[in-house]
Amino acid sequence: ETGVTQTPRHLVMGMTNKKSLKCEQHLGHNAMYWYKQSAKKPLELMFVYSLEERVENNSVPSRFSPECPNSSHLFLHLHTLQPEDSALYLCASSQEPSLSGRDNEQFFGPGTRLTVL
Amino acid sequence: GEDVEQSLFLSVREGDSSVINCTYTDSSSTYLYWYKQEPGAGLQLLTYIFSNMDMKQDQRLTVLLNKKDKHLSLRIADTQTGDSAIYFCAETFSGGYNKLIFGAGTRLAVHP
Repeated sequence: ETGVTQTPRHLVMGMTNKKSLKCEQHLGHNAMYWYKQSAKKPLELMFVYSLEERVENNSVPSRFSPECPNSSHLFLHLHTLQPEDSALYLCASSQEPSLSGRDNEQFFGPGTRLTVL
Repeated sequence: GEDVEQSLFLSVREGDSSVINCTYTDSSSTYLYWYKQEPGAGLQLLTYIFSNMDMKQDQRLTVLLNKKDKHLSLRIADTQTGDSAIYFCAETFSGGYNKLIFGAGTRLAVHP
């Protein structure tokens, strides 16, 4: 596997279910991110982990719970979601810290398309 | 505050030039990026420009930055059907970690 992988690619869940999204990066990076992409809205940064510590939590509801057990893996645990949480959830990674624009590049996974019924 | 705005849709004929525009609000941004998202895929970095530059050219891509108006544009010369995608403008800030602020994305449709 190369780059950033995400599983599952598609997920349909009920409002009472508990599920987890998984992200894995094979790039040797030390920072990982969760974004939410909804139709016609800007990408929303949800969580940032740098050196396995959470450095940002953008007022995300507690029904979303991130976990970063090591620098290569990132999880997003989901429970009691709402239909408005249906979206594409993107994971990204980058190498921190850095000075040049190119080194600031975030590498994205293909996303998990989540549908909450 | 941090805000990036883009028009949502652009349609061009194959072979023509495409110009995708973006405005941002934070003048302290050090880098500005253009990402491309093809159907079913994540975002891929296309190009970036440092805030002290006015223009950057990379093959068919030309990025123009007007710092006074906080306006960024991406020009794609000789647009091809393979360029059909969503293009995201993003700004970032130095230090700590790379916090990217994205626009809503511009969907580029290329027709024959």
